Amino acid sequence: AQSVAQPEDQVNVAEGNPLTVKCTYSVSGNPYLFWYVQYPNRGLQFLLKYITGDNLVKGSYGFEAEFNKSQTSFHLKKPSALVSDSALYFCAVRVPWRNNRLAFGKGNQVVVIP
Amino acid sequence: GAGVSQSPSNKVTEKGKDVELRCDPISGHTALYWYRQSLGQGLEFLIYFQGNSAPDKSGLPSDRFSAERTGGSVSTLTIQRTQQEDSAVYLCASSLGTASGNTIYFGEGSWLTVV
Repeated sequence: AQSVAQPEDQVNVAEGNPLTVKCTYSVSGNPYLFWYVQYPNRGLQFLLKYITGDNLVKGSYGFEAEFNKSQTSFHLKKPSALVSDSALYFCAVRVPWRNNRLAFGKGNQVVVIP
Repeated sequence: GAGVSQSPSNKVTEKGKDVELRCDPISGHTALYWYRQSLGQGLEFLIYFQGNSAPDKSGLPSDRFSAERTGGSVSTLTIQRTQQEDSAVYLCASSLGTASGNTIYFGEGSWLTVV
């Protein structure tokens, strides 16, 4: 079954430091992977996706993610975190035999410390 | 519209009352999804509409929940006889189609509190 796992509950990082939010996946066939961000009291905003091609995917707000097939990972990264990046981050995978719905990880709370 | 629009943004209702939540997807998007986000449950799929096809209702938690989509556009999620455990954020999303590479875009959610 298609699933993603976000092993950490909360990620704390100092402002200006690199930010990494981890995601591993388990899929049958080709993985279609997505990252979303949820700011407080807001809906989900699309950040980026991996479909095929380059393993390094660039997205919104300076975020990027690296698809690693051998490690079955799709970690989200930002070179220099901002306080405004404090939010809840969700990794998700498409489930082809379920109307291509998204299956989400549990989410990671990111706290950027000034 | 420019994005997925949901209303109401916030709703407080008394236990036992019915509520209707509305979703207006991005213009031209044929696929529409409803998800629920509650504490401790993460993001749960509720229901899916694609064009004129029969909806996938497999995620609806009970028969108190129903949804329809009129004219292939606006969708309404109805919760009858609300219970406190229905308190959650109800998120609507749409995409251009169901191809795996299509992005699913979410609305701001309807924040439901049952008291």
